[in-house]
Amino acid sequence: DSGVTQTPKHLITATGQRVTLRCSPRSGDLSVYWYQQSLDQGLQFLIQYYNGEERAKGNILERFSAQQFPDLHSELNLSSLELGDSALYFCASSAGQNSYNEQFFGPGTRLTVL
Amino acid sequence: AQKVTQAQTEISVVEKEDVTLDCVYETRDTTYYLFWYKQPPSGELVFLIRRNSFDEQNEISGRYSWNFQKSTSSFNFTITASQVVDSAVYFCALTLYSGNTPLVFGKGTRLSVIA
Repeated sequence: DSGVTQTPKHLITATGQRVTLRCSPRSGDLSVYWYQQSLDQGLQFLIQYYNGEERAKGNILERFSAQQFPDLHSELNLSSLELGDSALYFCASSAGQNSYNEQFFGPGTRLTVL
Repeated sequence: AQKVTQAQTEISVVEKEDVTLDCVYETRDTTYYLFWYKQPPSGELVFLIRRNSFDEQNEISGRYSWNFQKSTSSFNFTITASQVVDSAVYFCALTLYSGNTPLVFGKGTRLSVIA
């Protein structure tokens, strides 16, 4: 158990809908990272927050947004969902602000868009 | 830009065989970090090792060992006397020391260990 929690574990929704994925980092970790894992794209970095501020941005679509709250939990919002958004979404946390710090991954949220 | 190549998509071995998973990386930076992660069937990514570019010493942890060679830009992972519980997808990843560069993952190698 990494100490990182993600909810929900599974999410099934329809095209055009909006969903919110939630992540609670390990106790004491200030950084939260979001990744998307799909069969065709592999594991791709989406965005990182450090202590409430956006720290780094990857291949995140404009339809996607994220934030980190004062209690350090984070939410990833996906809107106007398309079939291609179906994937496993991971959250990871680390103590420091740099990506070379060891990142601890949550169990993931499997999103299915029908 | 950084790139990680794991040329072996799938490997299948019989229990107790040794197996090496290859990882080749590309970066123009001289200071970087390399990682290996394991993704068992349960889906969670498990950290295995981190190595920085200044430390070319090979590392051994139980049945796991890693061979880092800057000359060939490779960071290979060997499992000795493989076990069924080693069956998983293994990812190699790279990030830089400087800036806000993200962790870049290879496509992964699926290892199946057959009893």
